[in-house]
Amino acid sequence: GAVVSQHPSRVICKSGTSVKIECRSLDFQATTMFWYRQFPKKSLMLMATSNEGSKATYEQGVEKDKFLINHASLTLSTLTVTSAHPEDSSFYICSARDRRKGNEKLFFGSGTQLSVL
Amino acid sequence: KQEVTQIPAALSVPEGENLVLNCSFTDSAIYNLQWFRQDPGKGLTSLLLIQSSQREQTSGRLNASLDKSSGRSTLYIAASQPGDSATYLCAVYGGATNKLIFGTGTLLAVQP
Repeated sequence: GAVVSQHPSRVICKSGTSVKIECRSLDFQATTMFWYRQFPKKSLMLMATSNEGSKATYEQGVEKDKFLINHASLTLSTLTVTSAHPEDSSFYICSARDRRKGNEKLFFGSGTQLSVL
Repeated sequence: KQEVTQIPAALSVPEGENLVLNCSFTDSAIYNLQWFRQDPGKGLTSLLLIQSSQREQTSGRLNASLDKSSGRSTLYIAASQPGDSATYLCAVYGGATNKLIFGTGTLLAVQP
């Protein structure tokens, strides 16, 4: 099956630093990738949709200058949490849609646990 | 705006019981619905996907049904085992937003 690799799996950083999370589709091309955020014991909240070669579409309430998304190629999307603060601590997970499969199921990365001290 | 709700929020059952998890969604114009499993601190494991034209899907002890017109889906787990303990999430894809929207989740604990 299709594989989505997300890296790093865990990151601890000081307040004020920026953190980049990578999401790669290993064996397929992904025209669209989605970034989610999950608070402890909560469901996944869609943050933004990134389309290859164009600007990401952010959900209401998500700061686009805080969460920079780049989808430079059909196999890579990155989420950069800029000037991270403790309230940005959360579990971030990406998903990708296989362009060959149209609107079938999405494939998920294993997630990144971000802890900001 | 699509809203996805799961009931119950938490469930504890003894090993061996059959159980049903419920998922409801407000916008019935979906392409598909998926059920996922999430273990603590981990990513998602896709369990079943039901296309909008299908009524149900089965995999092993799991059976998922979809009633698109009423905006409901159920996940049936037969002969539950302690290893089934996890959070179960349903998610709908498509409709006006063309996004995958997750439900609120059901935390399942199967007691040995």
